[in-house]
Amino acid sequence: GAGVSQSPSNKVTEKGKDVELRCDPISGHTALYWYRQSLGQGLEFLIYFQGNSAPDKSGLPSDRFSAERTGGSVSTLTIQRTQQEDSAVYLCASGGSPGQGALNEQFFGPGTRLTVL
Amino acid sequence: KQEVTQIPAALSVPEGENLVLNCSFTDSAIYNLQWFRQDPGKGLTSLLLIQSSQREQTSGRLNASLDKSSGRSTLYIAASQPGDSATYLCAVRGNYGQNFVFGPGTRLSVLP
Repeated sequence: GAGVSQSPSNKVTEKGKDVELRCDPISGHTALYWYRQSLGQGLEFLIYFQGNSAPDKSGLPSDRFSAERTGGSVSTLTIQRTQQEDSAVYLCASGGSPGQGALNEQFFGPGTRLTVL
Repeated sequence: KQEVTQIPAALSVPEGENLVLNCSFTDSAIYNLQWFRQDPGKGLTSLLLIQSSQREQTSGRLNASLDKSSGRSTLYIAASQPGDSATYLCAVRGNYGQNFVFGPGTRLSVLP
């Protein structure tokens, strides 16, 4: 079946502009995660959605970052007034199919490479 | 706060060798642990998931073990191949949090 997809695959923007990154999780997965990976760094957790529960936003680095998940499926990560330090690969993962429990494997998308000039 | 480390940071071996990658975590109250590989410029591919009640998982040439009490997991790769060259990441999910904490990764190069 289809895996996690993300769009765009690459995004180049100018400092100060807003950007939206999209994640389409695996159908039926109840959990959705956003991470970012800066050059040469490990994965940094950003935000986690689980079903209809309030999202865990504890990893968002500033109030310029926000995310939505509409209808329990597609998610959009929005970065307002982008800064050069926002340049990174933004990875989305989904998991927790019904019947498997909500705390199981994560399956990752290919990521969106964001470059802020 | 959970912290995850991986040793070594980088490893280069000749083809055919068996090798072990190490992952350590500071808080043993974990729900599960997952090993991934990441190829350059790509996303993460799940390799093995070990629940906290399990001691090991096997998939093909890969074997992952978990020792919760000592805060350690190892990924054993048998008969390494050049196609195994990638960065290997371990990630730990705690009993009290829903997100994974990732280690920094081990960059593996298998030389033909």
